Amino acid sequence: GAVVSQHPSWVICKSGTSVKIECRSLDFQATTMFWYRQFPKQSLMLMATSNEGSKATYEQGVEKDKFLINHASLTLSTLTVTSAHPEDSSFYICSASKNRVLGGYTFGSGTRLTVV
Amino acid sequence: GESVGLHLPTLSVQEGDNSIINCAYSNSASDYFIWYKQESGKGPQFIIDIRSNMDKRQGQRVTVLLNKTVKHLSLQIAATQPGDSAVYFCAENPTSGTYKYIFGTGTRLKVLA
Repeated sequence: GAVVSQHPSWVICKSGTSVKIECRSLDFQATTMFWYRQFPKQSLMLMATSNEGSKATYEQGVEKDKFLINHASLTLSTLTVTSAHPEDSSFYICSASKNRVLGGYTFGSGTRLTVV
Repeated sequence: GESVGLHLPTLSVQEGDNSIINCAYSNSASDYFIWYKQESGKGPQFIIDIRSNMDKRQGQRVTVLLNKTVKHLSLQIAATQPGDSAVYFCAENPTSGTYKYIFGTGTRLKVLA
C-alpha cells in the first residue's frame, strides 16, 4: 500500500502558458500532501504544504500566485505553474503520507517540466 | 532554463564492499530522520528512519547511526550492489508534529563492478 501517482511524468510547454501537475494517493487518503522542486544535482526544496479543503501553506520565497495548489479531495492535489517561464523548468515532486504517526512520506515519481 | 547547481558529492564503492554515506543536519530540535534513495528521473524512495531517542537502527542490509551531539547521521549499506547506485538524501523533521521535512544536499553512490 501507500502508492502515490503523479501525472504527467514529463511535459514541455511554451513560455507564458500554464501547466497542471496532478498528485494522487491511490490506496489511501491524504489530508496533507507536499510539493517539492528539485533542480539538477540538487536536493529537494519544499515549496508548499497542500491541505485538503483549505489553502495551501507556501514556503518563504515561493510565489503562491505563480504556483497554484488545489487539494480538492482526500486523494488529489494539483500544482499549476502559471505563466511558465524557462526558469520554472525543473523536476516537481509531490509526497503524501498514509500513516502520519510513523512519518515517512511516499513520493510520487516526479514531473519533469521544460519550458521553451 | 535549468540553473547550474552544486555538484553532488560522490562516493564510489566496489561491488560487495560496505558503503557509508554521511549527513550533517541543521536543527538540534529535530526528532525524526529518514534516509531516502533517489534513482535518476524518479521520486525519492524511503529506506530507513530513526527517532532521536535512538542512536542506531538496522534494516535489511542498511544501518542508520545518529549522533545528536554533533548533529550527524550516517547510512551504512552492507555488501553494496549495483542496484544501490543512486543519490541518497537524509531528511530531518525539525518541528515535531508538522510532518515537514528538510532534505540534505544528497550524496551520489556509484557502485563499481
